Amino acid sequence: SQLAEENSWALSVHEGESVTVNCSYKTSITALQWYRQKSGKGPAQLILIRSNEREKRNGRLRATLDTSSQSSSLSITATRCEDTAVYFCATDGVGGSNYKLTFGKGTLLTVTP
Amino acid sequence: ETAVFQTPNYHVTQVGNEVSFNCKQTLGHDTMYWYKQDSKKLLKIMFSYNNKQLIVNETVPRRFSPQSSDKAHLNLRIKSVEPEDSAVYLCASSYTGFHERLFFGHGTKLSVL
Repeated sequence: SQLAEENSWALSVHEGESVTVNCSYKTSITALQWYRQKSGKGPAQLILIRSNEREKRNGRLRATLDTSSQSSSLSITATRCEDTAVYFCATDGVGGSNYKLTFGKGTLLTVTP
Repeated sequence: ETAVFQTPNYHVTQVGNEVSFNCKQTLGHDTMYWYKQDSKKLLKIMFSYNNKQLIVNETVPRRFSPQSSDKAHLNLRIKSVEPEDSAVYLCASSYTGFHERLFFGHGTKLSVL
């Protein structure tokens, strides 16, 4: 079973609108990361938010973390066509390994002109 | 800006053949990873190496074997490919462990006929 999971399989917005991708996870974490994967490329990290942080920003991106509900959100304001990608949340591994980052299933965001 | 280089970009082969994928990172990182991404974009970790030592070996079939000559290189060999091995194989690296940002290559797409 997935340790982290985005709540929507696909989202579609028009350019300029705002959008939020949500993620839930099942275990205690040290940090949660958001990645974006464009077609034909590998995932690229957008934001890393640690368990003692509640919010992190990176330009038009804003990530929140709620450890009590084990959930996170990634908001994108003033979306652009180039924001079209699959968005993943990823959390620490558990069970003895320090070298495992587990990805959610991903949310496909499509931004149309 | 790519600093994790994978070759080849694509590989088409037949069931039973052996294939090898190469990965090199120029970031000076200590840890490298292989992830498998299926047609639904699901990312699953296969192996993790820290300073040439295998740290994580998820229960992948024995026909898969990682090979590391130094901390900048991590190759993946599949001894006798099966149809279910068709996927994109993504190599990644990080400074230490998964608490840090992962840098991914563009991936190698394997098609098994």
